[in-house]
Amino acid sequence: DADVTQTPRNRITKTGKRIMLECSQTKGHDRMYWYRQDPGLGLRLIYYSFDVKDINKGEISDGYSVSRQAQAKFSLSLESAIPNQTALYFCATSRGQLDEQYFGPGTRLTVT
Amino acid sequence: AQTVTQSQPEMSVQEAETVTLSCTYDTSESDYYLFWYKQPPSRQMILVIRQEAYKQQNATENRFSVNFQKAAKSFSLKISDSQLGDAAMYFCAYRSALLVGAGSYQLTFGKGTKLSVIP
Repeated sequence: DADVTQTPRNRITKTGKRIMLECSQTKGHDRMYWYRQDPGLGLRLIYYSFDVKDINKGEISDGYSVSRQAQAKFSLSLESAIPNQTALYFCATSRGQLDEQYFGPGTRLTVT
Repeated sequence: AQTVTQSQPEMSVQEAETVTLSCTYDTSESDYYLFWYKQPPSRQMILVIRQEAYKQQNATENRFSVNFQKAAKSFSLKISDSQLGDAAMYFCAYRSALLVGAGSYQLTFGKGTKLSVIP
């Protein structure tokens, strides 16, 4: 079984809809991250969480919110989706601050 | 702020040959980590190799090795004996070694190089 899972893997939604992307991990890591990947731009950090009570904005947090429901679960929400939020979204985890980040399989989100 | 530049949007290599992907970065820090990630068509981001800036020895992982030039702020990836399964997007990434502060958590990625392997 995969250590970091994301649901859904693909999603098409309409402008203005609320959508939640979910991430779960079985690695026992305390740190979790949400990234966005756009063609030609690499990955950019949206939010990160060092534990359940510690959530921080990343480089591009506008239009997004997150919830750390448990150590193993970190959800990303788009309260009112817009077309320029069409992208590939990755969740990642790490054990400690200096450890490698392990990525989930990604969620491809299309906003029409 | 740190920046990572991959100047080769696309490259190709003949199967069994060697290819080198380039990466340069800009930082004022003296201690940091550099990574190469592979993203095949499956979309999964896979760590290929990691280099600590305080180590002079270049990291190697089987057919993958790096040429780390700290003074030049250069971090290239060499793939030897290329295989069809090496075809993917390759991303260079930087992370500070600071334990506190705004940059201590963040991976900064380059825009990627798409590698094609020709049979």
